[in-house]
Amino acid sequence: TQLLEQSPQFLSIQEGENLTVYCNSSSVFSSLQWYRQEPGEGPVLLVTVVTGGEVKKLKRLTFQFGDARKDSSLHITAAQTGDTGLYLCAGASSGGNEKLTFGTGTRLTIIP
Amino acid sequence: DADVTQTPRNRITKTGKRIMLECSQTKGHDRMYWYRQDPGLGLQLIYYSFDVKDINKGEISDGYSVSRQAQAKFSLSLESAIPNQTALYFCATSDAGAGSYNEQFFGPGTRLTVL
Repeated sequence: TQLLEQSPQFLSIQEGENLTVYCNSSSVFSSLQWYRQEPGEGPVLLVTVVTGGEVKKLKRLTFQFGDARKDSSLHITAAQTGDTGLYLCAGASSGGNEKLTFGTGTRLTIIP
Repeated sequence: DADVTQTPRNRITKTGKRIMLECSQTKGHDRMYWYRQDPGLGLQLIYYSFDVKDINKGEISDGYSVSRQAQAKFSLSLESAIPNQTALYFCATSDAGAGSYNEQFFGPGTRLTVL
């Protein structure tokens, strides 16, 4: 069974600060996705990374896929209250993209 | 209108009752999924379907069953609900087309409480 561990599980920081969330596994993934979930809603896709070492930027959010495609990070610059939510990583297994393995989630709270 | 809808949004039921959760989508995707979310456990896959004639068990299928009535409809049933099935349930769809990485589009969720 493939497992994705996210750290930290909870993070509470002041508005304007920077933060990094990690997603780690011992398994190799063919691609990795990041989702954000707000209370009362389903997760919404933020980005997909495919190539080892790939870096993608989405405004103040920077996503990186590890060189070995076993881990990923999400860095937020100058956090805003609108960044508050549950961040989930999800990996697609090599050899087929039929299912995703979801991480345990990082609950982020940005304090005004 | 939402692309993936779930009904009901909230349900409280008693132990032993049969419950059906319904999911409809207008995205035209062939693939549909049912997930369960518990605090601190992320999303766990219950069942998934790649087309109307295809049903597959996920990680935690015991105690659940599904029906794919049409491309756009995928329902989840709890034959005899028990309290540890209290959770948030999400339906999702994905596109199987070329260039797709199985990105998932989620419904708003159903909060189920089993007393």
